[in-house]
Amino acid sequence: DIQMTQSPSSLSAFVGDRVTITCRASPDISNELAWYQQKPGKVPKLLIYSASTLQSGVPSRFSGSGSGTYFTLAISNLQPEDVATYYCQNYNGAPLTFGGGTKVEIK
Amino acid sequence: EVQLVESGGDLIEPGGSLKLSCTASGFTFSGFTMGWVRQAPGKGLEWVSDINESGGKTYYVDSVKGRFAISRDNSNNKLYLQMNNLRAEDSAIYYCAKAKSKSSYDYWGQGTLVTVSS
Repeated sequence: DIQMTQSPSSLSAFVGDRVTITCRASPDISNELAWYQQKPGKVPKLLIYSASTLQSGVPSRFSGSGSGTYFTLAISNLQPEDVATYYCQNYNGAPLTFGGGTKVEIK
Repeated sequence: EVQLVESGGDLIEPGGSLKLSCTASGFTFSGFTMGWVRQAPGKGLEWVSDINESGGKTYYVDSVKGRFAISRDNSNNKLYLQMNNLRAEDSAIYYCAKAKSKSSYDYWGQGTLVTVSS
């Protein structure tokens, strides 16, 4: 099975900061990785697919990069509405594992 | 507008069975892979199962293999999850989700709560 290791598990940053979340896959999953945002009490929302393609309607301050086994989600100019838990997901093949999540808070 | 509406969640005793349904609208249901993802209270997301467009290929997380069965009715735009021999660890909100590219999910339902407890 493919293992997804996401870090950090939580982070706190100031409004306007750039934050980065990392997801490591084992083994290689090519670019078949998605990132989701889940705000408290809400349904998950697709932010990025194919590792770096921004889903329609998602603000451009979100960006994804990586391939193979190392991936990152970056949020530039962090906004209060970005407070949420972020998950990576492998869809290279079943089981379609999610990372453990990163909770993003504002200082 | 894409809509996914789950139903069927309930409080059920360990060992019991439950069938979840998801009614889809706003897109060509038969043209997309569909899946179920669950989330235990206060925990992260866990993929449960996927079914391809025709229903001919199904996939499951190891912990539910042999107990859960995913199916779909393309004539009526419905997705199902038959859950048998339920365990306490199956307690979660179950989300129905539409796949975008392969199995990244671009639309999610609001979820239906399954609680397994005596």
